[in-house]
Amino acid sequence: ETGVTQSPTHLIKTRGQQVTLRCSSQSGHNTVSWYQQALGQGPQFIFQYYREEENGRGNFPPRFSGLQFPNYSSELNVNALELDDSALYLCASSWGQGGNEKLFFGSGTQLSVL
Amino acid sequence: EDQVTQSPEALRLQEGESSSLNCSYTVSGLRGLFWYRQDPGKGPEFLFTLYSAGEEKEKERLKATLTKKESFLHITAPKPEDSATYLCAVYGNKLVFGAGTILRVKS
Repeated sequence: ETGVTQSPTHLIKTRGQQVTLRCSSQSGHNTVSWYQQALGQGPQFIFQYYREEENGRGNFPPRFSGLQFPNYSSELNVNALELDDSALYLCASSWGQGGNEKLFFGSGTQLSVL
Repeated sequence: EDQVTQSPEALRLQEGESSSLNCSYTVSGLRGLFWYRQDPGKGPEFLFTLYSAGEEKEKERLKATLTKKESFLHITAPKPEDSATYLCAVYGNKLVFGAGTILRVKS
């Protein structure tokens, strides 16, 4: 059984650029959620995808968008990067769309915006 | 708006010194309270889910309890390998995390 994998592990971008982060779900999981974790804070919910459809969204602007593919892997896209977007981006997979299932997290992508 | 407050922000214990971490929450319609452990440079790792007041769950040296307003994570006779950040999260209509408690256990 493979766990949740994220790529890249680290990324440096400049303000105004666009970035794509990738996530492979744990085997057998059909739901992917994305979280933003600033230094010293808990993860903040960005959005969730269930069977390729967005299934809930947190308080993030539309320049944060995502995709889920038929194999349940996922992408997080962020346009027009701002300095405050610097954070650890976590992907989590689970089974089901209830929202209160146990989440399995990847190790994250550390994004630095200069 | 759903909120989670964890205390203390940081806790230093000697090996074997038992203690408790607190998670206070406000949520409209609790559908689950979660405890996760996060090691530096890693994603959170699931520990427990509690669904209703009075429920308790145990795993090794950890025991989680739940009331209508708060949850406690009790750590009995901790070891240095228990050092980590412990995150509490509640699910109402979305998952909301607290800022975590950083636990350091010294031998």
